[in-house]
Amino acid sequence: AQKVTQAQTEISVVEKEDVTLDCVYETRDTTYYLFWYKQPPSGELVFLIRRNSFDEQNEISGRYSWNFQKSTSSFNFTITASQVVDSAVYFCALSEAGRGSTLGRLYFGRGTQLTVWP
Amino acid sequence: NAGVMQNPRHLVRRRGQEARLRCSPMKGHSHVYWYRQLPEEGLKFMVYLQKENIIDESGMPKERFSAEFPKEGPSILRIQQVVRGDSAAYFCASSPLLVRRKETQYFGPGTRLLVL
Repeated sequence: AQKVTQAQTEISVVEKEDVTLDCVYETRDTTYYLFWYKQPPSGELVFLIRRNSFDEQNEISGRYSWNFQKSTSSFNFTITASQVVDSAVYFCALSEAGRGSTLGRLYFGRGTQLTVWP
Repeated sequence: NAGVMQNPRHLVRRRGQEARLRCSPMKGHSHVYWYRQLPEEGLKFMVYLQKENIIDESGMPKERFSAEFPKEGPSILRIQQVVRGDSAAYFCASSPLLVRRKETQYFGPGTRLLVL
C-alpha cells in the first residue's frame, strides 16, 4: 500500500493564482515526520519543510504555507500568488520513527507537476 | 558550507558495463541514503549507510547492486552488468547524527545514468 499519496499528478495555474498541493499519508507509528521537497526542471531536490507528528501547528514561510491535519492524515501545501519560478515537481514524503522502522528512510509520493503560466 | 556532492552528474554506460556513483555527504553528516528515481515514478529508497556499516538495504535489488560508505572517502553505489532498466536518476541524501527531533535529509544533485 502506498504510504504517501499525491492524487494530483499535474496542476496548471496562471501567475498570481493560489494553488494547493494535496498530500495524504498512511502510517501506524505515533511518531513520524512529514516533508515537502521541490524538484525544479534542473533536477535537484530542494528541501522545503519538515513537520513532526507531535506538532500540529501550521506554518507559513513567505508565500508558502502548510496545513497539517492529523485527523485526516493530510499535509497540504499552498503557494500563494504563484510565480513562474514555482514551476516544478513537488514531492511529499514520510519518515517513520516507530520500533522496527528504519530511522530516516523516506517514503515519497509520486509527485505533483506544477506549471505556472505567465 | 558545501552541500551533498554527487559525481558524475551524468553517466552513460553500455549494457554489461559497471557503473560507479559517488556521494560525499555534507560536512558533519554521518548518515547516507541512496534513492532511485525511475521515469514516471517517484523516488524509491534503496539503502541506508553509516560509516563502514550498512544499516538497511531492503530497497536494493538483490543482484548486481551494492553500496558502501568507507571510513575515508565518499559513499559508492555500484551497479554491475548494467541493463537498460537501470537507467534512472540516482540521488544521495545525508543527515547528521540522528537526533529524533532533527532528522532532515539533504539531497545531492543526483546522477543521471543512461544505459545504451
